[in-house]
Amino acid sequence: DAGITQSPRHKVTETGTPVTLRCHQTENHRYMYWYRQDPGHGLRLIHYSYGVKDTDKGEVSDGYSVSRSKTEDFLLTLESATSSQTSVYFCAIRGQGPYEQYFGPGTRLTVT
Amino acid sequence: EDQVTQSPEALRLQEGESSSLNCSYTVSGLRGLFWYRQDPGKGPEFLFTLYSAGEEKEKERLKATLTKKESFLHITAPKPEDSATYLCAYSPKTSYDKVIFGPGTSLSVIP
Repeated sequence: DAGITQSPRHKVTETGTPVTLRCHQTENHRYMYWYRQDPGHGLRLIHYSYGVKDTDKGEVSDGYSVSRSKTEDFLLTLESATSSQTSVYFCAIRGQGPYEQYFGPGTRLTVT
Repeated sequence: EDQVTQSPEALRLQEGESSSLNCSYTVSGLRGLFWYRQDPGKGPEFLFTLYSAGEEKEKERLKATLTKKESFLHITAPKPEDSATYLCAYSPKTSYDKVIFGPGTSLSVIP
């Protein structure tokens, strides 16, 4: 799993509450990514980072923010969770090859 | 609009019955075409990168091929442990940093 951990692994929260998901890597990779995976939509990019404090938006970034203050940690925040954000969230890093990505185990988030 | 589609959506095979999964792409420029395997409850696992038409990559019972419009993942004499969802993805020339994923093909291999 390329030294990637995600926390929490499962979370249930209520609509309107803030939620932060953490991705931690141990191998000093520059690029890190957050995806969500939903039935019928596949994996969709939320945000990504190309270095400490350097981030950019993906295709489904509305309602999400990210921060990267250290190389090893990439945080995804839902400022005010909505039911449409119920999903499985995956973190990934770019590996040795120019475009290969390696994924963490995922976080299952349920917003009630 | 750049997009990638996969077919079939689901495939059931008997053990030993070879078949192919299809990934069709319409992109203005392709940096790379990727295949991933995803087991239930886990993150995708990288399998192959293909860069140009005519290229082939192999790993155990899997072989990936690439043409100008499609990629195929050939599975030879599959075993039950090959059961998984196989994802196709690409990196467009318009964006060095991003990878776009297809919806996947769910493969079940029956003993």
